Amino acid sequence: KAGVTQTPRYLIKTRGQQVTLSCSPISGHRSVSWYQQTPGQGLQFLFEYFSETQRNKGNFPGRFSGRQFSNSRSEMNVSTLELGDSALYLCASSLAGWGGLERTDTQYFGPGTRLTVL
Amino acid sequence: GEDVEQSLFLSVREGDSSVINCTYTDSSSTYLYWYKQEPGAGLQLLTYIFSNMDMKQDQRLTVLLNKKDKHLSLRIADTQTGDSAIYFCAELNTGTASKLTFGTGTRLQVTL
Repeated sequence: KAGVTQTPRYLIKTRGQQVTLSCSPISGHRSVSWYQQTPGQGLQFLFEYFSETQRNKGNFPGRFSGRQFSNSRSEMNVSTLELGDSALYLCASSLAGWGGLERTDTQYFGPGTRLTVL
Repeated sequence: GEDVEQSLFLSVREGDSSVINCTYTDSSSTYLYWYKQEPGAGLQLLTYIFSNMDMKQDQRLTVLLNKKDKHLSLRIADTQTGDSAIYFCAELNTGTASKLTFGTGTRLQVTL
């Protein structure tokens, strides 16, 4: 079974531009979460989508948004880019349901998209 | 509130055991995870433990959970140079709909 894929892997943008990142979850997984990783702030939760609905949101400004499609693929968008948005953006997928006797919320991560804002 | 803490750095010699520690504050955590991150890569799931367990062993990895003290540890037996990476513990409270709260990460350096 293929893992979580993210595109593009690397991206360079300038301040004020907007960017869209894409994530394809593991087949059968219905939940997609996004995280931002920076040296200063570490790994921070952005938002989670399940069945095309945002279920949970972290403490990020409204410039950060996302969506999920009917095939569970997800995109996140950052508008009006700032220098501080330079980071590794990680996507994770999970079944978010029951698998046998236990809940299967275990999240599997993609390789990330490295965004550099100049 | 949610807060997960780890020591920043650990150095061990090849062949020795490594013990990486983590403390968390959210007593309603249901799952606790260990992820590994190598340079320039994403997060690789190593293992996890359900909150009603106190130990889990998986080949060279042993996870110990002390729920009373909110302390989690990862022991790597016979540490190899390929184990050099940053290790993150993370807690999941399913009440917050699959949001993982990560620790700061522990950089493990394995020396010859």
